Amino acid sequence: GENVEQHPSTLSVQEGDSAVIKCTYSDSASNYFPWYKQELGKRPQLIIDIRSNVGEKKDQRIAVTLNKTAKHFSLHITETQPEDSAVYFCAATSNFGNEKLTFGTGTRLTIIP
Amino acid sequence: DAMVIQNPRYQVTQFGKPVTLSCSQTLNHNVMYWYQQKSSQAPKLLFHYYDKDFNNEADTPDNFQSRRPNTSFCFLDIRSPGLGDTAMYLCATSRRTGGPDTQYFGPGTRLTVL
Repeated sequence: GENVEQHPSTLSVQEGDSAVIKCTYSDSASNYFPWYKQELGKRPQLIIDIRSNVGEKKDQRIAVTLNKTAKHFSLHITETQPEDSAVYFCAATSNFGNEKLTFGTGTRLTIIP
Repeated sequence: DAMVIQNPRYQVTQFGKPVTLSCSQTLNHNVMYWYQQKSSQAPKLLFHYYDKDFNNEADTPDNFQSRRPNTSFCFLDIRSPGLGDTAMYLCATSRRTGGPDTQYFGPGTRLTVL
């Protein structure tokens, strides 16, 4: 089955600086890669996703890049703000009759004012 | 704009006393999932339904059961909760379109077993 590794497990960034979180996956058939943000005590919320037919996707301050050859994908947050502080999870899945997401272990991002 | 609703939001139960958590959705999605999330961990899939087809994860304890009486509702039954079942339980839905689609999570039920 799929295995997703996520690094780092914790990340502290000065407000206004950029944050990068990296994930690697094992199953070359995986073709959908969402990123979820989870604030303390709240539900995971999708912030951005990417499919394997594109290499990069951007939404305002958030971007995701995908390298299918190396089987890794990354989340980039620019101009970080205190409200970006949360736990971020990457995930991967494929479409071979499989609706299951495999999650990474999460990154606790802290933005230092 | 609640799309995936879970009740109750908080539940305290005694060791061994059965408990039922509910999930409803207004998205008309055909796939519904139940996850268990313990503190500082990623959500762990327990099982999911594609329409009425039930798919259990291999490592989900027999203590956990689920029902989906119709498209909108799905229930998680914990027959004899143990202390280790204290966790957040998340329901999620997605629309199967021939490829993976976004999963939308409910707010979760925080279960405490005493």
